Amino acid sequence: QKEVEQDPGPLSVPEGAIVSLNCTYSNSAFQYFMWYRQYSRKGPELLMYTYSSGNKEDGRFTAQVDKSSKYISLFIRDSQPSDSATYLCAMRITAGTASKLTFGTGTRLQVTL
Amino acid sequence: SQTIHQWPATLVQPVGSPLSLECTVEGTSNPNLYWYRQAAGRGLQLLFYSVGIGQISSEVPQNLSASRPQDRQFILSSKKLLLSDSGFYLCAWNPIGAGAFFGQGTRLTVV
Repeated sequence: QKEVEQDPGPLSVPEGAIVSLNCTYSNSAFQYFMWYRQYSRKGPELLMYTYSSGNKEDGRFTAQVDKSSKYISLFIRDSQPSDSATYLCAMRITAGTASKLTFGTGTRLQVTL
Repeated sequence: SQTIHQWPATLVQPVGSPLSLECTVEGTSNPNLYWYRQAAGRGLQLLFYSVGIGQISSEVPQNLSASRPQDRQFILSSKKLLLSDSGFYLCAWNPIGAGAFFGQGTRLTVV
């Protein structure tokens, strides 16, 4: 079993829809959770960074962590064609810079006009 | 502000040829630096990380090596490339208390 599971998609939604992207994980020691957006042939871009359980909002993006269920989500409101990309979740055990990130395999999102 | 540079963006190399990919970080000192490889459907695989000059940790046995000759420079190398070395290589660094920040990547095709 992989430490982090993520549905690869593709997920296709119409413009303006609310998008829900999810990851599950098996290691209860993970405390720091991240979401990255990656456009084709580009490096991943950090979108959200959260600690422990709860919600964090940044514009149209909301990150949600449920540590009891080992489940994290990224919600995108009012989705735009420019949101079409692959979304990667990542997590680490401590905040220390030597603490390694464990990534999901990414979900490809397509927002259609 | 901090920026990370990685080059070249694309590289096509024959089997058996050497490899050198370079990554530099600006706007910070003593960063922790990472090399990842991304294969389709397999996510990001950590190859090497470095906490300082000359300090390299390898995550997986492979045909590649890494070096850190200067504080903000991280180099990925190979003496003889294999077909299986093809992939998308990403350099990253992370400040304390934040996620990692990535360069734009190098797409390597070994032919």
